[in-house]
Amino acid sequence: DVKVTQSSRYLVKRTGEKVFLECVQDMDHENMFWYRQDPGLGLRLIYFSYDVKMKEKGDIPEGYSVSREKKERFSLILESASTNQTSMYLCASRQAGGRKTGELFFGEGSRLTVL
Amino acid sequence: SQQGEEDPQALSIQEGENATMNCSYKTSINNLQWYRQNSGRGLVHLILIRSNEREKHSGRLRVTLDTSKKSSSLLITASRAADTASYFCATLGGYSTLTFGKGTMLLVSP
Repeated sequence: DVKVTQSSRYLVKRTGEKVFLECVQDMDHENMFWYRQDPGLGLRLIYFSYDVKMKEKGDIPEGYSVSREKKERFSLILESASTNQTSMYLCASRQAGGRKTGELFFGEGSRLTVL
Repeated sequence: SQQGEEDPQALSIQEGENATMNCSYKTSINNLQWYRQNSGRGLVHLILIRSNEREKHSGRLRVTLDTSKKSSSLLITASRAADTASYFCATLGGYSTLTFGKGTMLLVSP
């Protein structure tokens, strides 16, 4: 069964801390994505990567960075967490041919609270 | 940038009834997809309809697409309590990324 695994389901961090959210997929997908989901705002794209060591900004990249050193792993980094980054973070992946189809496979989400 | 917008925001029905959700979008699309999300979980892909298709079926799901009106609808027939979830439409946009609407929350009561 295909799987996208996010390392932490729930995290609580303090303002100013550096936060790493890890995502691993076992489907040999080239494309990976990070979204955040907030009530009333839906899902918004933060960053995405079409291949190893590649990254592209999404709609709301400010305050975030990403790392894609290996094909299966895509990390989201909050350099200095702030309370307005409290959110549900969703990682997704897609096979390269999926650029035409676009079907995404999602992880279970990481709910981050910044105090 | 938000592309799809679902309507209604929330829908409450009884088991056995049909549930219809609508999605409107703004720009031309390659395809439109519907996803489901159980409370506090990740999204799961349900069905994809291409821009040159008008209707598609998958089990109890029926999706229609009207590109002239830039709208789509998702029909779930004979709803079950287990169908309770949020449903999102998503369109394939620039950079081949998916843009999601804000979702319709469906509650199916036994």
